[in-house]
Amino acid sequence: KAGVTQTPRYLIKTRGQQVTLSCSPISGHRSVSWYQQTPGQGLQFLFEYFSETQRNKGNFPGRFSGRQFSNSRSEMNVSTLELGDSALYLCASSLGDTLSGANVLTFGAGSRLTVL
Amino acid sequence: GDSVTQMEGPVTLSEEAFLTINCTYTATGYPSLFWYVQYPGEGLQLLLKATKADDKGSNKGFEATYRKETTSFHLEKGSVQVSDSAVYFCALSSGSARQLTFGSGTQLTVLP
Repeated sequence: KAGVTQTPRYLIKTRGQQVTLSCSPISGHRSVSWYQQTPGQGLQFLFEYFSETQRNKGNFPGRFSGRQFSNSRSEMNVSTLELGDSALYLCASSLGDTLSGANVLTFGAGSRLTVL
Repeated sequence: GDSVTQMEGPVTLSEEAFLTINCTYTATGYPSLFWYVQYPGEGLQLLLKATKADDKGSNKGFEATYRKETTSFHLEKGSVQVSDSAVYFCALSSGSARQLTFGSGTQLTVLP
Protein backbone atom coordinates (compact mmCIF):
# COMPACT_ATOMS: atom_id res chain seq x y z
CA LYS A 1 0.00 0.00 0.00
CA ALA A 2 1.09 3.60 -0.51
CA GLY A 3 3.16 5.15 2.23
CA VAL A 4 2.95 8.54 3.85
CA THR A 5 3.23 11.26 1.21
CA GLN A 6 4.53 14.71 1.98
CA THR A 7 4.54 17.71 -0.30
CA PRO A 8 6.48 19.70 -1.20
CA ARG A 9 9.75 17.87 -0.65
CA TYR A 10 11.85 21.01 -0.75
CA LEU A 11 11.06 24.67 -0.41
CA ILE A 12 12.82 27.93 0.20
CA LYS A 13 11.21 30.89 1.94
CA THR A 14 12.37 34.19 3.33
CA ARG A 15 11.98 35.49 6.85
CA GLY A 16 8.53 36.78 7.63
CA GLN A 17 6.77 34.63 5.06
CA GLN A 18 4.48 31.77 5.89
CA VAL A 19 4.50 28.19 4.66
CA THR A 20 2.02 25.34 4.42
CA LEU A 21 3.12 21.72 4.28
CA SER A 22 0.89 18.83 3.33
CA CYS A 23 0.72 15.22 4.43
CA SER A 24 -1.34 12.31 3.14
CA PRO A 25 -1.34 9.38 5.58
CA ILE A 26 -1.44 5.69 4.84
CA SER A 27 -4.93 4.62 3.86
CA GLY A 28 -6.87 3.66 6.98
CA HIS A 29 -4.63 5.60 9.36
CA ARG A 30 -6.58 8.19 11.28
CA SER A 31 -3.78 9.77 13.29
CA VAL A 32 -1.25 12.17 11.81
CA SER A 33 1.71 13.54 13.74
CA TRP A 34 4.30 16.14 12.84
CA TYR A 35 7.91 16.32 13.94
CA GLN A 36 10.62 18.88 13.36
CA GLN A 37 14.16 17.66 12.75
CA THR A 38 17.13 20.01 13.09
CA PRO A 39 20.84 19.33 13.61
CA GLY A 40 20.81 21.20 16.91
CA GLN A 41 17.57 20.05 18.52
CA GLY A 42 17.14 16.67 16.89
CA LEU A 43 13.64 15.29 16.45
CA GLN A 44 10.96 17.21 18.29
CA PHE A 45 7.23 16.52 18.43
CA LEU A 46 5.04 19.30 17.06
CA PHE A 47 1.46 18.01 17.25
CA GLU A 48 -0.84 15.08 16.64
CA TYR A 49 -4.28 15.01 15.05
CA PHE A 50 -6.96 12.37 15.17
CA SER A 51 -10.36 12.65 13.54
CA GLU A 52 -9.78 16.33 12.77
CA THR A 53 -8.97 17.12 16.43
CA GLN A 54 -5.61 18.07 17.86
CA ARG A 55 -4.93 15.62 20.68
CA ASN A 56 -1.38 16.51 21.62
CA LYS A 57 0.87 19.48 21.13
CA GLY A 58 4.58 19.90 21.66
CA ASN A 59 6.41 22.88 23.02
CA PHE A 60 6.40 25.14 19.99
CA PRO A 61 5.21 28.74 19.63
CA GLY A 62 1.79 29.57 18.29
CA ARG A 63 3.29 30.35 14.88
CA PHE A 64 3.18 26.61 14.31
CA SER A 65 -0.28 25.30 13.63
CA GLY A 66 -1.94 22.43 11.90
CA ARG A 67 -5.19 20.88 10.91
CA GLN A 68 -6.61 17.61 9.74
CA PHE A 69 -9.31 17.08 7.19
CA SER A 70 -12.12 14.54 7.14
CA ASN A 71 -10.10 12.29 4.82
CA SER A 72 -7.28 12.28 7.42
CA ARG A 73 -4.98 14.38 5.27
CA SER A 74 -3.17 16.99 7.30
CA GLU A 75 -1.49 20.33 6.81
CA MET A 76 0.82 22.27 9.01
CA ASN A 77 1.43 25.97 8.77
CA VAL A 78 4.27 28.11 10.02
CA SER A 79 3.69 31.84 10.00
CA THR A 80 6.19 34.69 10.25
CA LEU A 81 9.09 32.43 9.41
CA GLU A 82 12.36 32.78 11.28
CA LEU A 83 15.80 31.54 10.28
CA GLY A 84 15.60 28.94 13.04
CA ASP A 85 12.58 27.34 11.41
CA SER A 86 14.83 25.86 8.76
CA ALA A 87 14.40 22.14 9.27
CA LEU A 88 13.15 18.85 7.93
CA TYR A 89 9.48 18.53 8.81
CA LEU A 90 8.37 14.95 9.10
CA CYS A 91 4.83 13.70 9.03
CA ALA A 92 3.92 10.31 10.45
CA SER A 93 0.68 8.38 10.48
CA SER A 94 -0.69 5.60 12.64
CA LEU A 95 -3.93 3.84 13.44
CA GLY A 96 -4.51 6.23 16.32
CA ASP A 97 -4.20 4.07 19.41
CA THR A 98 -1.38 4.15 21.93
CA LEU A 99 1.94 3.57 20.20
CA SER A 100 3.05 0.03 20.87
CA GLY A 101 4.01 -3.09 19.02
CA ALA A 102 0.75 -3.22 17.15
CA ASN A 103 0.44 0.46 16.40
CA VAL A 104 3.56 2.19 15.18
CA LEU A 105 4.38 5.45 13.48
CA THR A 106 5.13 5.33 9.78
CA PHE A 107 7.01 8.37 8.54
CA GLY A 108 7.02 10.19 5.26
CA ALA A 109 10.17 11.38 3.50
CA GLY A 110 9.78 14.88 4.91
CA SER A 111 9.58 18.44 3.66
CA ARG A 112 12.87 20.29 3.84
CA LEU A 113 12.29 23.96 4.56
CA THR A 114 15.05 26.52 4.16
CA VAL A 115 14.43 30.02 5.48
CA LEU A 116 16.68 32.75 4.10
CA GLY B 1 9.63 13.69 31.78
CA ASP B 2 10.58 10.98 29.34
CA SER B 3 14.03 11.04 27.81
CA VAL B 4 16.30 8.88 25.66
CA THR B 5 20.07 9.00 25.83
CA GLN B 6 21.88 7.64 22.86
CA MET B 7 25.49 6.86 22.17
CA GLU B 8 27.26 9.80 20.62
CA GLY B 9 28.48 9.43 17.09
CA PRO B 10 29.67 9.34 14.53
CA VAL B 11 30.58 5.67 14.44
CA THR B 12 32.81 4.36 11.67
CA LEU B 13 33.26 0.63 11.14
CA SER B 14 34.72 -1.65 8.55
CA GLU B 15 32.43 -4.00 6.68
CA GLU B 16 31.64 -7.20 8.62
CA ALA B 17 32.49 -5.57 11.96
CA PHE B 18 30.25 -5.93 15.01
CA LEU B 19 27.98 -3.01 15.80
CA THR B 20 26.63 -1.80 19.12
CA ILE B 21 24.79 1.48 19.57
CA ASN B 22 23.90 2.16 23.19
CA CYS B 23 20.52 3.52 24.21
CA THR B 24 19.20 4.15 27.71
CA TYR B 25 15.92 5.71 28.69
CA THR B 26 13.99 7.40 31.47
CA ALA B 27 10.24 7.00 31.44
CA THR B 28 7.23 6.54 33.65
CA GLY B 29 5.64 3.14 33.65
CA TYR B 30 6.49 0.62 31.00
CA PRO B 31 7.33 2.27 27.70
CA SER B 32 7.42 0.73 24.27
CA LEU B 33 10.85 1.02 22.69
CA PHE B 34 11.80 1.51 19.07
CA TRP B 35 14.76 1.84 16.77
CA TYR B 36 14.31 3.90 13.63
CA VAL B 37 16.80 4.33 10.79
CA GLN B 38 17.18 7.30 8.48
CA TYR B 39 19.02 6.93 5.18
CA PRO B 40 20.39 10.03 3.47
CA GLY B 41 17.64 12.23 2.07
CA GLU B 42 14.86 10.07 3.44
CA GLY B 43 12.44 9.96 6.33
CA LEU B 44 12.56 7.55 9.26
CA GLN B 45 11.95 3.86 8.83
CA LEU B 46 11.02 1.58 11.71
CA LEU B 47 13.81 -0.92 12.19
CA LEU B 48 12.57 -2.89 15.20
CA LYS B 49 10.50 -2.59 18.35
CA ALA B 50 9.87 -4.13 21.77
CA THR B 51 6.93 -3.57 24.06
CA LYS B 52 7.80 -5.29 27.33
CA ALA B 53 10.75 -6.30 29.46
CA ASP B 54 13.01 -8.99 28.00
CA ASP B 55 11.37 -8.70 24.57
CA LYS B 56 13.87 -8.90 21.74
CA GLY B 57 13.15 -6.97 18.59
CA SER B 58 14.90 -8.06 15.42
CA ASN B 59 14.96 -7.14 11.75
CA LYS B 60 17.49 -7.31 8.89
CA GLY B 61 20.14 -8.79 11.19
CA PHE B 62 19.72 -6.06 13.81
CA GLU B 63 18.64 -6.94 17.33
CA ALA B 64 17.80 -5.08 20.53
CA THR B 65 16.62 -6.42 23.88
CA TYR B 66 14.38 -4.47 26.26
CA ARG B 67 16.26 -4.46 29.57
CA LYS B 68 14.10 -2.97 32.28
CA GLU B 69 16.66 -3.48 35.05
CA THR B 70 19.20 -1.32 33.22
CA THR B 71 16.60 0.80 31.33
CA SER B 72 18.43 0.05 28.11
CA PHE B 73 17.66 -0.96 24.54
CA HIS B 74 21.03 -1.32 22.83
CA LEU B 75 21.11 -1.97 19.08
CA GLU B 76 23.43 -4.72 17.81
CA LYS B 77 24.36 -6.32 14.52
CA GLY B 78 26.89 -9.07 14.11
CA SER B 79 28.24 -8.08 10.71
CA VAL B 80 27.55 -4.66 9.23
CA GLN B 81 27.42 -3.88 5.53
CA VAL B 82 28.14 -0.70 3.62
CA SER B 83 24.40 -0.42 2.99
CA ASP B 84 23.82 -0.09 6.75
CA SER B 85 25.37 3.39 6.67
CA ALA B 86 22.66 5.67 8.04
CA VAL B 87 21.55 7.54 11.15
CA TYR B 88 19.97 5.39 13.86
CA PHE B 89 17.45 6.75 16.36
CA CYS B 90 16.31 5.15 19.58
CA ALA B 91 12.82 6.19 20.69
CA LEU B 92 10.17 5.47 23.28
CA SER B 93 6.48 5.87 23.80
CA SER B 94 5.18 5.71 27.36
CA GLY B 95 1.81 5.42 29.01
CA SER B 96 -1.06 6.49 26.81
CA ALA B 97 1.22 8.70 24.75
CA ARG B 98 0.74 8.70 21.04
CA GLN B 99 4.03 10.44 20.39
CA LEU B 100 7.63 9.36 20.35
CA THR B 101 10.52 10.74 22.37
CA PHE B 102 13.71 10.36 20.36
CA GLY B 103 17.35 10.12 21.19
CA SER B 104 19.80 12.40 19.42
CA GLY B 105 20.67 9.87 16.73
CA THR B 106 23.89 8.04 15.90
CA GLN B 107 25.52 8.40 12.51
CA LEU B 108 26.95 5.08 11.32
CA THR B 109 29.37 4.87 8.42
CA VAL B 110 30.51 1.47 7.19
CA LEU B 111 33.61 1.39 5.03
CA PRO B 112 34.26 -1.34 2.45
